[in-house]
Amino acid sequence: GEDVEQSLFLSVREGDSSVINCTYTDSSSTYLYWYKQEPGAGLQLLTYIFSNMDMKQDQRLTVLLNKKDKHLSLRIADTQTGDSAIYFCAVTSGTYKYIFGTGTRLKVLA
Amino acid sequence: GAVVSQHPSRVICKSGTSVKIECRSLDFQATTMFWYRQFPKQSLMLMATSNEGSKATYEQGVEKDKFLINHASLTLSTLTVTSAHPEDSSFYICSARTYNKTQYFGPGTRLLVL
Repeated sequence: GEDVEQSLFLSVREGDSSVINCTYTDSSSTYLYWYKQEPGAGLQLLTYIFSNMDMKQDQRLTVLLNKKDKHLSLRIADTQTGDSAIYFCAVTSGTYKYIFGTGTRLKVLA
Repeated sequence: GAVVSQHPSRVICKSGTSVKIECRSLDFQATTMFWYRQFPKQSLMLMATSNEGSKATYEQGVEKDKFLINHASLTLSTLTVTSAHPEDSSFYICSARTYNKTQYFGPGTRLLVL
């Protein structure tokens, strides 16, 4: 079945850019999402990209999709302490089920 | 954006009792809702898919008699943990799917079984 992998931790300094990476195995994945989870809370949808797109930008967020390498990334520009959280990528294909990555814990140092 | 609520946000119960968790889509209709379980520092595990007006579809390894799901309307799904035991203690998150397949998540319910 589909497997979605993320690195577990990322630490950056406030004001720097953060890049969170995600790899997946199912080449038929059509929708790819990024969610943010703060401690003790649910998941907040940050952005998503369709598989026919290479890039999507939304304010400080830039999503890059490399379909050939099955690699998805989320870049956060000018990272702030409020961006500290766990970030999950999720992919879905023909079915409605989401396959979640393992989550990347982002720590922003002041 | 689409808003999903859950109630209660936190519940403590005695072993052997049943607990009901509600999931509501506040500003949209959701024919499909999902129930996830999240263990500490882990990803979300899909438990079941709840379809309005029909029986839920459970993932492999999830006991349907243990986790009862009802999706009585287009805006409400409930998860009842029956005869709860300490190993059922977890963070339960629901989501509701919009017409374009995007899932919006509730804030989660933390269940502690003593």
